Amino acid sequence: SSELTQDPAVSVALGQTVRITCQGDSLRTYSASWHQQKPGQAPVVVIYVENNRPSGIPDRFSGSSSGNTASLTITGAQAEDEADYYCESRDSSGTRLIFGGGTKLTVL
Amino acid sequence: DVQLVESGGGSVQPGGSLRLSCAASGFTLSGYWMHWVRQVPGKGLVWVSRISPDGSTTNYADSVKGRFTISRDNAKNTLYLQMNSLRAEDTAVFYCGRRSVHGGNWYFDLWGRGTLVTVSS
Repeated sequence: SSELTQDPAVSVALGQTVRITCQGDSLRTYSASWHQQKPGQAPVVVIYVENNRPSGIPDRFSGSSSGNTASLTITGAQAEDEADYYCESRDSSGTRLIFGGGTKLTVL
Repeated sequence: DVQLVESGGGSVQPGGSLRLSCAASGFTLSGYWMHWVRQVPGKGLVWVSRISPDGSTTNYADSVKGRFTISRDNAKNTLYLQMNSLRAEDTAVFYCGRRSVHGGNWYFDLWGRGTLVTVSS
């Protein structure tokens, strides 16, 4: 299939750990990246190629993958982490990109 | 600063046309695959199109194929999206994005701030 599935909403208590997942058949072949988007702003990549952090992204963000599931983990969530998170990968043809529907993270 | 700046958005009637631009600064556009991604306000990100560094290869989402054309002018360090036969459902913020490679895998490493396209009568 050429879809990536994410939970629409997740919440986490301040300072606790949260995992956001993304499922899709193409993840067995292609790596996932994760984008953070705050209201009114452009996306920002927080994890690329499964488990790599761009410079400037806090090390509380990490990524992993197993089978058809990619995961973004925030260890010690902060108030500023409240945002929408999108996974991104390729479709089964490899020529088109697909995004998950997004997960709205609320930090309580 | 390394950045992408989109322009060309605005309001247009159904059936009309617009050309979006994405100006790159702080780096040489010719070294990168470039993409357009759109987002209906309040909804998720949707991939639209991509173009190879030399412009010889392009791909499109089914929803825009035959109506949108991606192109680039590497001498001007600018990416374009020509949008024809616009529909109400094309209303969205359009982002351009730069792709880089890491260990043989590709990823977005730079996004523009987006430009809003509104299709309405």
